[in-house]
Amino acid sequence: EPEVTQTPSHQVTQMGQEVILRCVPISNHLYFYWYRQILGQKVEFLVSFYNNEISEKSEIFDDQFSVERPDGSNFTLKIRSTKLEDSAMYFCASSGPGQGNEKLFFGSGTQLSVL
Amino acid sequence: AQSVTQPDIHITVSEGASLELRCNYSYGATPYLFWYVQSPGQGLQLLLKYFSGDTLVQGIKGFEAEFKRSQSSFNLRKPSVHWSDAAEYFCAVGAQGGYNKLIFGAGTRLAVHP
Repeated sequence: EPEVTQTPSHQVTQMGQEVILRCVPISNHLYFYWYRQILGQKVEFLVSFYNNEISEKSEIFDDQFSVERPDGSNFTLKIRSTKLEDSAMYFCASSGPGQGNEKLFFGSGTQLSVL
Repeated sequence: AQSVTQPDIHITVSEGASLELRCNYSYGATPYLFWYVQSPGQGLQLLLKYFSGDTLVQGIKGFEAEFKRSQSSFNLRKPSVHWSDAAEYFCAVGAQGGYNKLIFGAGTRLAVHP
C-alpha cells in the first residue's frame, strides 16, 4: 500500500529555533494535512492545504506556523520560533481526488522535542 | 461544541477475549465516524468508518463498530483479541462531504495479555 513518509522521525531543538518538518504525501494525492499530538493529549488538527493554499486552519496554527509545498512532492511544516509547548508528535496526512476526509493516509509522525 | 470522548484511557484484555472500546461524540450534524489504530512507531491506520446506511460496519483485522444515534456512540468491538492488536485506538468524527478536519478522541491504549 502507498505510504506517507515523514522525516525526521525525531527532532530535538532549542527553544526559539526554527524547525522544518518534512512530509512526502502519496503521489497522486491533492489534499494535505498536519495534525499534532501533545503527549497524553488528543490528536489535534492544525491545517489543511489544497491547490497551493491553506483551506482551513485551527486556532493552534498561529503566525509561528507555515506550510509549503515547495516542489510538487514535499509538504513541509515550519515553526519559526519554537516554544516548549510545541513539543509534540506531528502527523502529516494526505487524501486523494474525491476522497477528502473519508480516507486519510497518515505518516508515522515526527516527534519534536523543544528544550 | 464538537468533541469526541473515549472514556477508557487504558484497557487490558487476555488474548482470545472479546473487546469493546467506547466512543461518544458530540456533533451538530450527521457526522462521519472513524476508528484509527496506531501501533508503536507507526502512523494512524484507518480501521473502519461509518458514513450512512447500516449502523454496523465492518473493518480490517476483524474489527466492527456500531453507530447508535440515540446514544451518540460509535463503539469498536472485536470478538477475539490477538496479541498483535495491542496498540492505541482513536475514535474520530468529521464533517460529511468535505475535506474538513477530523476531531479525535484522546485514545485508548490496549494491552493484551497472553
